[in-house]
Amino acid sequence: GENVEQHPSTLSVQEGDSAVIKCTYSDSASNYFPWYKQELGKGPQLIIDIRSNVGEKKDQRIAVTLNKTAKHFSLHITETQPEDSAVYFCAATEPDNEKLTFGTGTRLTIIP
Amino acid sequence: DTAVSQTPKYLVTQMGNDKSIKCEQNLGHDTMYWYKQDSKKFLKIMFSYNNKELIINETVPNRFSPKSPDKAHLNLHINSLELGDSAVYFCASQARRTGGTGELFFGEGSRLTVL
Repeated sequence: GENVEQHPSTLSVQEGDSAVIKCTYSDSASNYFPWYKQELGKGPQLIIDIRSNVGEKKDQRIAVTLNKTAKHFSLHITETQPEDSAVYFCAATEPDNEKLTFGTGTRLTIIP
Repeated sequence: DTAVSQTPKYLVTQMGNDKSIKCEQNLGHDTMYWYKQDSKKFLKIMFSYNNKELIINETVPNRFSPKSPDKAHLNLHINSLELGDSAVYFCASQARRTGGTGELFFGEGSRLTVL
């Protein structure tokens, strides 16, 4: 089955700086890579996703890049704001597989 | 109006008891899930139902029994609770069975504490 590793487990950045979270996956057949944000006391919420036929996707201050050869993908948050503080999860899905495999999460803290 | 709602939000109980968590979604989605999040924040799928049919059953003790009376509801019943069952349980829904490639809508979670 798929195995997703995520780094770092914790990350603190100054407000206004950029944050990068990286994930690797094991199954080269995986073709869908979402990122979820979990705020304190809430359920995870999708913030951006990318499919294997695309190398990069951007949505305002958030971008995701995918390197299929190296089997890794990254989340980039620019101009960070206090409301970006949360736990972020990457995930991957294999074709013909009904389930997402989540990474271990990154707790991002934005320092005002 | 909450899209995916779970009850109860908090549950504290003794070892050996039986408890249930209920989930309802008003999004008209076909597929629903139960996920377990442990104290280290690891999110692990437990079960998935599509139109009331069980489609994913991970390696979960048979003390856990999901039930889907209709496609808008997915309940989780746990028998003979153990200390290791303490976790936050999340219900989620998905528009249709898309092979895991569609957005999941999560509820706010049910924190279970077993004493």
